[in-house]
Amino acid sequence: GQSLEQPSEVTAVEGAIVQINCTYQTSGFYGLSWYQQHDGGAPTFLSYNGLDGLEETGRFSSFLSRSDSYGYLLLQELQMKDSASYFCAVTVPGDTPLVFGKGTRLSVIA
Amino acid sequence: DSGVTQTPKHLITATGQRVTLRCSPRSGDLSVYWYQQSLDQGLQFLIQYYNGEERAKGNILERFSAQQFPDLHSELNLSSLELGDSALYFCASSVATGGLATDTQYFGPGTRLTVL
Repeated sequence: GQSLEQPSEVTAVEGAIVQINCTYQTSGFYGLSWYQQHDGGAPTFLSYNGLDGLEETGRFSSFLSRSDSYGYLLLQELQMKDSASYFCAVTVPGDTPLVFGKGTRLSVIA
Repeated sequence: DSGVTQTPKHLITATGQRVTLRCSPRSGDLSVYWYQQSLDQGLQFLIQYYNGEERAKGNILERFSAQQFPDLHSELNLSSLELGDSALYFCASSVATGGLATDTQYFGPGTRLTVL
């Protein structure tokens, strides 16, 4: 089966940097995605890593290490609007196109 | 706005009833995915259709069924509803079959189902 582990909650101060980790155990692996979901809203795609290394998109960066089955999402210059849940998800061969972690609830405080 | 539409936005019904949730994918997307999200839970994949055909099946109950029509919109049918079926139901769409590494899924706003 497939399993993903990410912290359930993280709290950080406005303007700071926060890193949300994700480790996975899968049968096969194509890549790691990150989605943001505000309360009551729809998940929104943030980033995708298919190869090892860092991908940067504005204030958000995502990292993947395939050998360690590990990735993280880095949020810089945190803003109050970044308070949301963040889900890592793996793309794997087989019947489930995308497998989601349980999500990390990020609270940004003043 | 992802371009994926879902109706209705809210649905309140009673146990034992049957409901139908509707989803229209983004223009040009051939795949539609259905997910269930219960309170404080992650996204549970239910089923995927690609160009009218069932492509992948996840943790979908036998009481649930779905289909994708020639115009590519999809419907999720939930029957013999139970209290535990209360959840947010999301539809997502993507261009291809989902097995491709960069086939990003775009989510609709969801339907909140409450079973009383």
